[in-house]
Amino acid sequence: AQSVTQLDSQVPVFEEAPVELRCNYSSSVSVYLFWYVQYPNQGLQLLLKYLSGSTLVKGINGFEAEFNKSQTSFHLRKPSVHISDTAEYFCAVSPWNAGNMLTFGGGTRLMVKP
Amino acid sequence: DAMVIQNPRYQVTQFGKPVTLSCSQTLNHNVMYWYQQKSSQAPKLLFHYYDKDFNNEADTPDNFQSRRPNTSFCFLDIRSPGLGDAAMYLCATSRWPEAFFGQGTRLTVV
Repeated sequence: AQSVTQLDSQVPVFEEAPVELRCNYSSSVSVYLFWYVQYPNQGLQLLLKYLSGSTLVKGINGFEAEFNKSQTSFHLRKPSVHISDTAEYFCAVSPWNAGNMLTFGGGTRLMVKP
Repeated sequence: DAMVIQNPRYQVTQFGKPVTLSCSQTLNHNVMYWYQQKSSQAPKLLFHYYDKDFNNEADTPDNFQSRRPNTSFCFLDIRSPGLGDAAMYLCATSRWPEAFFGQGTRLTVV
C-alpha cells in the first residue's frame, strides 16, 4: 500500500516570491510520482511527473520538483509565483506495477497575495 | 479541445432520489476511473475499468454503481443519495504514464 503526506495544508506567499510545497510518501514498491493542480470547481491538471532518470523534473507553468529517494520526498518548487498560481496542489504516487492507480496526498492550498 | 467531458458540471438532487453522472472521452483510452472528492479533501478512488473489466474499491459504498456501455462513455449511478454523498465527482482516463481528468461534476444533495 502507498500513502502520501503533504506537510502543509495551506501556504500563503506574496507574488513574485519563491515557494516550495512539500510531499513525502511511503510505499513497499517502487512508485512513480506526480503533481497535479486543481483550480476552483475544476478537474485536476498534471503539472509534472517523475518516472525515472534525472531526479529534477520540470513541468508546466514554471514549476519543478525534485525526487529524493532516500528521504522519500518529491517537493514542488517555483522560483517566482504569480497570482494565477493560486490553487490546490496535489501530490500523488502510482505503483510501478499497477498502471495509473493514483494515491493522492491531502492537498496544499497555495494562496498568492499581491 | 476537451478530451474528458463530464455532464452536468453541477447537479442538484433530492435526498434519496437516484442520480446519474456521465463521462465521455475522445482519447480512446481503455482505462477509466471515478473519483469522489469531498470538500477540502483529496480525490478518493471509487471504481475503475480496464476495458469492460470493472473493479470496485473495497470501501466504495454499495449505493454507488457504475456502467461502461462502450469505450467512450462511463456512468456513475447513486441509487439513494444521502447528504454525505455531496461532493465533486471526477472522471479520468489513463494511458500510461498519465491520467487525464474531466472538469468534474459537483453534486449537491438537498
